[in-house]
Amino acid sequence: GAVVSQHPSRVICKSGTSVKIECRSLDFQATTMFWYRQFPKQSLMLMATSNEGSKATYEQGVEKDKFLINHASLTLSTLTVTSAHPEDSSFYICSAAMDPNTGELFFGEGSRLTVL
Amino acid sequence: EDQVTQSPEALRLQEGESSSLNCSYTVSGLRGLFWYRQDPGKGPEFLFTLYSAGEEKEKERLKATLTKKESFLHITAPKPEDSATYLCAVCSNAGNMLTFGGGTRLMVKP
Repeated sequence: GAVVSQHPSRVICKSGTSVKIECRSLDFQATTMFWYRQFPKQSLMLMATSNEGSKATYEQGVEKDKFLINHASLTLSTLTVTSAHPEDSSFYICSAAMDPNTGELFFGEGSRLTVL
Repeated sequence: EDQVTQSPEALRLQEGESSSLNCSYTVSGLRGLFWYRQDPGKGPEFLFTLYSAGEEKEKERLKATLTKKESFLHITAPKPEDSATYLCAVCSNAGNMLTFGGGTRLMVKP
């Protein structure tokens, strides 16, 4: 299957700092990538849809100024958690579609963010 | 609004004890139904895509089936390494987004 890589896998930061998470499609180009958030023992919640070369589409309740998404190339999308606070601590997962017509997504390994 | 409900939330099996996981869904035009496996601290791993009622797919001890209202993931003679959370998701014809169910945590004891 297609490979999607996330970095870093774990990050611990102080409250008030900003953290950037990268999502790369390693063996295919992705015009669309998706960012999810997952709390312990809960399912994935879609945060935003990242579109290459245009603004991201955010789900209701997700602050776009808090979670900055940039999709500068067909293989890279970044999520920046700005001025992070302890309540932002979570597992963030990106995904990409190799073929948008199938709806089939491949997921990155996830990034565990802990804000102290 | 698309909805996906998985049951049970958790399932404990003895090694070799076959069972099924359920995924009930409502969607405005199904583009595809997807099964993923997720291990703790990892991203979901793709298992199957089902596109139309009556379709079945198999992979090792897993078999996924689809009707117009639900999908089943059958696990035959499970092993401890099958322990994981199994996620079901649907994609509608209206867009490219997946709607996920709450998942089923499967624990297989030796």
